[in-house]
Amino acid sequence: NAGVTQTPKFQVLKTGQSMTLQCAQDMNHNSMYWYRQDPGMGLRLIYYSASEGTTDKGEVPNGYNVSRLNKREFSLRLESAAPSQTSVYFCASSTGQSNQPQHFGDGTRLSIL
Amino acid sequence: GQQVMQIPQYQHVQEGEDFTTYCNSSTTLSNIQWYKQRPGGHPVFLIQLVKSGEVKKQKRLTFQFGEAKKNSSLHITATQTTDVGTYFCAGRTGANNLFFGTGTRLTVIP
Repeated sequence: NAGVTQTPKFQVLKTGQSMTLQCAQDMNHNSMYWYRQDPGMGLRLIYYSASEGTTDKGEVPNGYNVSRLNKREFSLRLESAAPSQTSVYFCASSTGQSNQPQHFGDGTRLSIL
Repeated sequence: GQQVMQIPQYQHVQEGEDFTTYCNSSTTLSNIQWYKQRPGGHPVFLIQLVKSGEVKKQKRLTFQFGEAKKNSSLHITATQTTDVGTYFCAGRTGANNLFFGTGTRLTVIP
């Protein structure tokens, strides 16, 4: 049982380039999330998908777009990467019920030069 | 907006000493969760607290939820090197999303 799988694990981009971070879960979870983690700032929610077919902005959505491709997959796209988007990105999933934990992937370490 | 503050940001302890991290919210929480992230790893769920004044234990870890449901703490008794990592609290108001605290990075000196 893989849980939450993120690809790629590492990526280096130049300013202005675009890329898509992939996330897939095999736990039949309804809700999926994208966070970024920066030193001293904890985890900040970028976008989330409460259920298949819906997406909503989180705390820091600017510069990002998302797609809930199906129940399993939730992708995060950077259309024009900026150095401020250098971060570690985590995807997470949960059943969607408020008393349930979130399960995290291993993260994508993204550097933008 | 909702904020969850966590202190201290860093803590270095000698192996065998106790450790405590504190979490404070600007708003009343419906529940609070705690996660541990090992160096280079991803956050892993530890526990959830729901009731006012609730106390839960997991071996050497004791979790408390304040009476007003605005603060929480995690206490580790007699730390071990396996306790190294960053501990995050994450609070929720109603059915809203989790707001993560800034985390406390624990270093245990053998």
